Amino acid sequence: GAVVSQHPSWVICKSGTSVKIECRSLDFQATTMFWYRQFPKQSLMLMATSNEGSKATYEQGVEKDKFLINHASLTLSTLTVTSAHPEDSSFYICSATEFLAGEKNEQFFGPGTRLTVL
Amino acid sequence: AQTVTQSQPEMSVQEAETVTLSCTYDTSESDYYLFWYKQPPSRQMILVIRQEAYKQQNATENRFSVNFQKAAKSFSLKISDSQLGDAAMYFCAYRRGAGGTSYGKLTFGQGTILTVHP
Repeated sequence: GAVVSQHPSWVICKSGTSVKIECRSLDFQATTMFWYRQFPKQSLMLMATSNEGSKATYEQGVEKDKFLINHASLTLSTLTVTSAHPEDSSFYICSATEFLAGEKNEQFFGPGTRLTVL
Repeated sequence: AQTVTQSQPEMSVQEAETVTLSCTYDTSESDYYLFWYKQPPSRQMILVIRQEAYKQQNATENRFSVNFQKAAKSFSLKISDSQLGDAAMYFCAYRRGAGGTSYGKLTFGQGTILTVHP
């Protein structure tokens, strides 16, 4: 299957700072990328959907000014957690897909990024 | 809105035995897809099996098979000849069919932690 990478795999930052997480599709063009948040032993919660070249669509309850998403190219989307606080500590996962008519349009997941805010 | 429910927070099975994980969903759509994902301790999401709603035949992938009961909105996963490497958290997921602004979005169940005993 297609490969999606995330960088960094883990990050520790101080409260009040901003952190950027990258999601890249390595061998296909991702027209759409999704960002999820996952707490330990819990399900994935969709935060936002980003389409290349347009503004991200955020799920209800997700602060778009806090979680900035940019999808500037067909292979890269970034999630920036602004003014991070300890409650933002979590595991962030991206997925990517290339929507083609008549195709399976599978979502391919990145390995995730563990964010710890001190 | 679509909902996915996994009523078994934890399951266990002996190596080489068979185990069934349950999943129910609710939707008013007629065109949709159902998935089972595996998340091992590495936390990398892995697609196990998918089912198109329009297909009556249950999907199978080697030791993994599903029992898709469309009228009952039930989608269980059977793992045969369980192996130690099957130990993971399993998520049932729903995705609507083509069209609409929410196309591609996955709705996940709460997850089931599967333990495999040697």
